[in-house]
Amino acid sequence: DGGITQSPKYLFRKEGQNVTLSCEQNLNHDAMYWYRQDPGQGLRLIYYSQIVNDFQKGDIAEGYSVSREKKESFPLTVTSAQKNPTAFYLCASSIVQLSNQPQHFGDGTRLSIL
Amino acid sequence: GQQLNQSPQSMFIQEGEDVSMNCTSSSIFNTWLWYKQDPGEGPVLLIALYKAGELTSNGRLTAQFGITRKDSFLNISASIPSDVGIYFCAGQVGGNAGGTSYGKLTFGQGTILTVHP
Repeated sequence: DGGITQSPKYLFRKEGQNVTLSCEQNLNHDAMYWYRQDPGQGLRLIYYSQIVNDFQKGDIAEGYSVSREKKESFPLTVTSAQKNPTAFYLCASSIVQLSNQPQHFGDGTRLSIL
Repeated sequence: GQQLNQSPQSMFIQEGEDVSMNCTSSSIFNTWLWYKQDPGEGPVLLIALYKAGELTSNGRLTAQFGITRKDSFLNISASIPSDVGIYFCAGQVGGNAGGTSYGKLTFGQGTILTVHP
């Protein structure tokens, strides 16, 4: 089935540690996005990428890094500089060639601090 | 930056009742989207609206793109227990591929819906 796969489902980070969240899609979408969701809040954009080897900062990029070496993959690294990393992280993708195409989401990764 | 105000924040209703929620924006959007999120899962697209004044249905769900392009409404008729979840509106500016704002969504804070059997 076509879709967006995020892994792992749950992740624990020790203080001072970097962790990487995986996002893979087989929808042949050009654009991919990372969002952070905190309880009782909407989704906030961390980073997005419209094309391989290019990405842009979103509204809350500090403490995060991404790469886009392949069209299907857009991993997110939560660095030790992110002081409040506990949240639900969502990856999304969309078609770029047509304007205003909706984003489709994976099932998320819940990150917690040990 | 753009902000979306979604209301109500939460609703507690009896099965069979109709539900209405809305989003308002301080600026114009070219696309309005409505998503539903179940606990521990990602949002699922319910309805996409692309034209001011557009009224679109998906089963028991009906959504409208406000004529001013600054608001949108979602109605659920004859609610059932599986309607429980968080409903998000999202606005999209659109624009040209390669532009810095292309494809970016602005989300409302969500409406938590509880349906009592």
